[in-house]
Amino acid sequence: AQSVTQLGSHVSVSEGALVLLRCNYSSSVPPYLFWYVQYPNQGLQLLLKYTTGATLVKGINGFEAEFKKSETSFHLTKPSAHMSDAAEYFCAVSDAGANNLFFGTGTRLTVIP
Amino acid sequence: DADVTQTPRNRITKTGKRIMLECSQTKGHDRMYWYRQDPGLGLRLIYYSFDVKDINKGEISDGYSVSRQAQAKFSLSLESAIPNQTALYFCATSDFGGVQHFGDGTRLSIL
Repeated sequence: AQSVTQLGSHVSVSEGALVLLRCNYSSSVPPYLFWYVQYPNQGLQLLLKYTTGATLVKGINGFEAEFKKSETSFHLTKPSAHMSDAAEYFCAVSDAGANNLFFGTGTRLTVIP
Repeated sequence: DADVTQTPRNRITKTGKRIMLECSQTKGHDRMYWYRQDPGLGLRLIYYSFDVKDINKGEISDGYSVSRQAQAKFSLSLESAIPNQTALYFCATSDFGGVQHFGDGTRLSIL
């Protein structure tokens, strides 16, 4: 069985500050891990994914995430927040066969000018 | 044009009505999915289909049915709508690589 826990349903940061959104997963098999972003009135868009190989994954818009097996974590970071980063962010896990995605409950990011 | 198109984008209806939400895609993917999104609950899988002849229940299929009319079309039906089915519904597609591509959603309100 697979599941995802996102710590913090709301996160606020100042413009230019570090963004850190936390995600811990549970999986009985080697996981594929994803971060998606949802802007208002839109569907989800892929930010980045980890399947195998390098554990530090770079995505779009300056975001990156690091797969840490020992901590069962896949936290999302961005060095400097921009106003356009305000959105809801979802972490998701699937099995290596990439059959179905299991989503976390989401973290809403607010960027303060 | 969008790769994954959902119609309608918004729908208000009454308890007991039958409703169909439609999804079409131009990505050529075999796999299609229906999710519902509720505040604080994230996305939950309703049904999924890995090809035209394959239909599978997801986490919350009760009260819903689906039809895969073609590779490109996957519709979701609520046979007798009830207020707790008020939610934002998303269709998604994927290839075997696992990345899912989402439509813009249908906001459904049941009075």
